[in-house]
Amino acid sequence: GIQVEQSPPDLILQEGANSTLRCNFSDSVNNLQWFHQNPWGQLINLFYIPSGTKQNGRLSATTVATERYSLLYISSSQTTDSGVYFCAVDLGDSNYQLIWGAGTKLIIKP
Amino acid sequence: EAEVAQSPRYKITEKSQAVAFWCDPISGHATLYWYRQILGQGPELLVQFQDESVVDDSQLPKDRFSAERLKGVDSTLKIQPAELGDSAMYLCASRFRQGRTDTQYFGPGTRLTVL
Repeated sequence: GIQVEQSPPDLILQEGANSTLRCNFSDSVNNLQWFHQNPWGQLINLFYIPSGTKQNGRLSATTVATERYSLLYISSSQTTDSGVYFCAVDLGDSNYQLIWGAGTKLIIKP
Repeated sequence: EAEVAQSPRYKITEKSQAVAFWCDPISGHATLYWYRQILGQGPELLVQFQDESVVDDSQLPKDRFSAERLKGVDSTLKIQPAELGDSAMYLCASRFRQGRTDTQYFGPGTRLTVL
């Protein structure tokens, strides 16, 4: 089956720093999504991005489907950005099930 | 803004006891998912419903887990008897489709601790 790999597994930064999180996938996908799981466990949708680039405030994401990777950029990090960032892909079948990476744990220090 | 509701938020139980979790998806969302998430890992799909029908329960440990969505709206996930290894976050999600967007929205989860 398809493999979804995220890197780095852990990242510790000072407030105000920028960061880049990467998601590689082993086969063609229908779409890719980025989620943020806050310290209380809530999963929040960040981007639905099968290809191209999207921006939302300090966050932006780029997916290069032909090269099977996606990047999530966080600029001017804030402590509220802490948590785990997951990418998930779906293969476009009728069931619409997501295949998840293991996540990148981000800690922003004040 | 509409949200997926889950209850309880936290549950502590002793092994061999029965537990039940409830989920109410966003109104109009026909597809509902139950996931289990162990600390440090991504969510693992347990069961998927389309309206009141089970679409996929291949990863559901059916000897102790059951799930239902009788009227195709809210859903209940039950564990009986609970085991120590069932300690995890249980997440419910519903599917949203609009135009070319096809995504899942998650509830706040139920954190289960089995003692």
